[in-house]
Amino acid sequence: DQQVKQNSPSLSVQEGRISILNCDYTNSMFDYFLWYKKYPAEGPTFLISISSIKDKNEDGRFTVFLNKSAKHLSLHIVPSQPGDSAVYFCAASEVMSNTGKLIFGQGTTLQVKP
Amino acid sequence: DSGVTQTPKHLITATGQRVTLRCSPRSGDLSVYWYQQSLDQGLQFLIQYYNGEERAKGNILERFSAQQFPDLHSELNLSSLELGDSALYFCASSPAARPPNGELFFGEGSRLTVL
Repeated sequence: DQQVKQNSPSLSVQEGRISILNCDYTNSMFDYFLWYKKYPAEGPTFLISISSIKDKNEDGRFTVFLNKSAKHLSLHIVPSQPGDSAVYFCAASEVMSNTGKLIFGQGTTLQVKP
Repeated sequence: DSGVTQTPKHLITATGQRVTLRCSPRSGDLSVYWYQQSLDQGLQFLIQYYNGEERAKGNILERFSAQQFPDLHSELNLSSLELGDSALYFCASSPAARPPNGELFFGEGSRLTVL
């Protein structure tokens, strides 16, 4: 049972354009959603998060949008840079679990072309 | 550098063998988490420890076990290894049992290859 899904395995965009990464979830008890970025041979690093009581959170070039009715969130990167090329994971935490465990999607590989 | 240290970085072993992966959390973090990432898959939660006690368990195989020691470092033991156990194993840590914004800090991972 995949509670967090990233249906696009890969995305390619031109430098300077917008990158939009998508994530769908099924569990309405998730209270926090996070995006992690992962470069090869490194561990995932936190990028940005959003609480389920908000619909948007912005940090520099990165903005996360949450649509609770559609159980969908997206990460926008504007403008995209070649250094953004990495695997992006969507993750969620469940308030009822009372633990810190995160449930991850399968990841989307972003390639930003110069 | 997240401050989470994992050893070894790479490990090659044979089927049927047993290995131990080690994790030192960030200074001050009381929670440790173990995740498995198989080829082209997402990170699968295995287990969480908080201040030495098991806090949450995921789909961890019975052949796998973990513990967190008084100095807060953690070890993941994998026994009777099978080819399908080949994966990246990540350790993460957080200050609390449930971080307020959900953020976990990940190590660089231990790549296990079972031949």
